[in-house]
Amino acid sequence: GAVVSQHPSWVICKSGTSVKIECRSLDFQATTMFWYRQFPKQSLMLMATSNEGSKATYEQGVEKDKFLINHASLTLSTLTVTSAHPEDSSFYICSGGSRLDEQYFGPGTRLTVT
Amino acid sequence: KQEVTQIPAALSVPEGENLVLNCSFTDSAIYNLQWFRQDPGKGLTSLLLIQSSQREQTSGRLNASLDKSSGRSTLYIAASQPGDSATYLCAVNSGGGADGLTFGKGTHLIIQP
Repeated sequence: GAVVSQHPSWVICKSGTSVKIECRSLDFQATTMFWYRQFPKQSLMLMATSNEGSKATYEQGVEKDKFLINHASLTLSTLTVTSAHPEDSSFYICSGGSRLDEQYFGPGTRLTVT
Repeated sequence: KQEVTQIPAALSVPEGENLVLNCSFTDSAIYNLQWFRQDPGKGLTSLLLIQSSQREQTSGRLNASLDKSSGRSTLYIAASQPGDSATYLCAVNSGGGADGLTFGKGTHLIIQP
C-alpha cells in the first residue's frame, strides 16, 4: 500500500509558540491531503482539506488563522499550529488520497502544549 | 450531515472466537467505506475498502460487508488472535476523492489469550 510519513512523531512546545507538522506521501502523488485531529478516547475529526497549490478548506469550527496549512507540492503538506495553547494538545494525523479514493494515513503526531 | 456509529464500543473475547463488529451511517449516499485498525498511540492501518457498488471485501481472516440501502457495514474477524487486539474504526467517504472521511468512535477489541 501507499506510504505516508509524518514528522515529528511527537512534540512538546510551550504555550504561545508555534509548531509545524510535516506530512509526506512517499510513493505516490497526493493531489489532496487531509488533516485530522483526535482527542483522547475520541474518534478522528476532519480539520481541513488541503489541495496542492490552492488554499485549504477548513471544517466548521476550525480556526484557519490558527491552523495554517500549506500544500506546496504533490507530496508534501504542512500544518502549523500558531500560538499554541494547552487545549490544542492532541493527536494530529494526515492522510493522502490514492487511486480508488482510498486514503492512506500517516503515523500521527502527538502534540503536547505546556 | 453524515454520522457514523459503531457498536459495541468495547468487546473482549477469548482467543479463537469469530466476531462481528458493526457500523451504521445515517446518509446512504456514500462513495466508499473503509475499516481501519488503530493500535494505542499509533496511526491508522487500512484493513478493507468497500466501494459503494460492492457488497463485500475479504482479506485473510477479515471480511467486511456493506448494505448501503440500510446504512450498515459489518467487519467479521475469523479465528481471533491476541494480535488482533486494537481499536477498529469505520469511516465513510461521502463525496469521493475530494472529501475527508467521517469516522465512528471505534470498537475497542481485546482478545484474551
